[in-house]
Amino acid sequence: KQEVTQIPAALSVPEGENLVLNCSFTDSAIYNLQWFRQDPGKGLTSLLLIQSSQREQTSGRLNASLDKSSGRSTLYIAASQPGDSATYLCAVSDNNDMRFGAGTRLTVKP
Amino acid sequence: EAGVAQSPRYKIIEKRQSVAFWCNPISGHATLYWYQQILGQGPKLLIQFQNNGVVDDSQLPKDRFSAERLKGVDSTLKIQPAKLEDSAVYLCASSHTGRTGNTIYFGEGSWLTVV
Repeated sequence: KQEVTQIPAALSVPEGENLVLNCSFTDSAIYNLQWFRQDPGKGLTSLLLIQSSQREQTSGRLNASLDKSSGRSTLYIAASQPGDSATYLCAVSDNNDMRFGAGTRLTVKP
Repeated sequence: EAGVAQSPRYKIIEKRQSVAFWCNPISGHATLYWYQQILGQGPKLLIQFQNNGVVDDSQLPKDRFSAERLKGVDSTLKIQPAKLEDSAVYLCASSHTGRTGNTIYFGEGSWLTVV
């Protein structure tokens, strides 16, 4: 059974800092991995989708990498801004299900 | 393009009462999902529809939860009778086809508090 873990659970950084969020999964037989953003009281917004054959995806200041063999993904946020404050969740899709991690709650201080 | 619409946004009920949530997916999306998100946890899939057929309901507590997607468009999720542990956000999502290759779009959720 696939398990998805995100570390740290919470992270606070000053504005302008580059940061990395981590996601690990136990079963490497995945179709894809997605990173989502969730603002308080809101639904989830898809940020990046990495297919199993890809190593990374980039969108603006965001870069997500995928290492299937080690069961790891990272979300790199460059030059963080207060507007980046939110909970970031990763989700892994395999043959059976899409499983989410519990998320990392990010606070970017002005 | 309109997003995934959900209602009601907030609901407070007493245990053993019933509640129903409604979802209207993005137009043209064949796949519709209902997720349960308990505070501090990631979303958990309750049920997935492909058009009006059920693809996966393995994690749906069928003794109290039911869902339908009449005509392959709108969907309702019902809980009867509700328990305290059902307090959560119920997220509806849709995608063009299945989840293995397509972006999923989420609604803002229906927040349920059972007291």
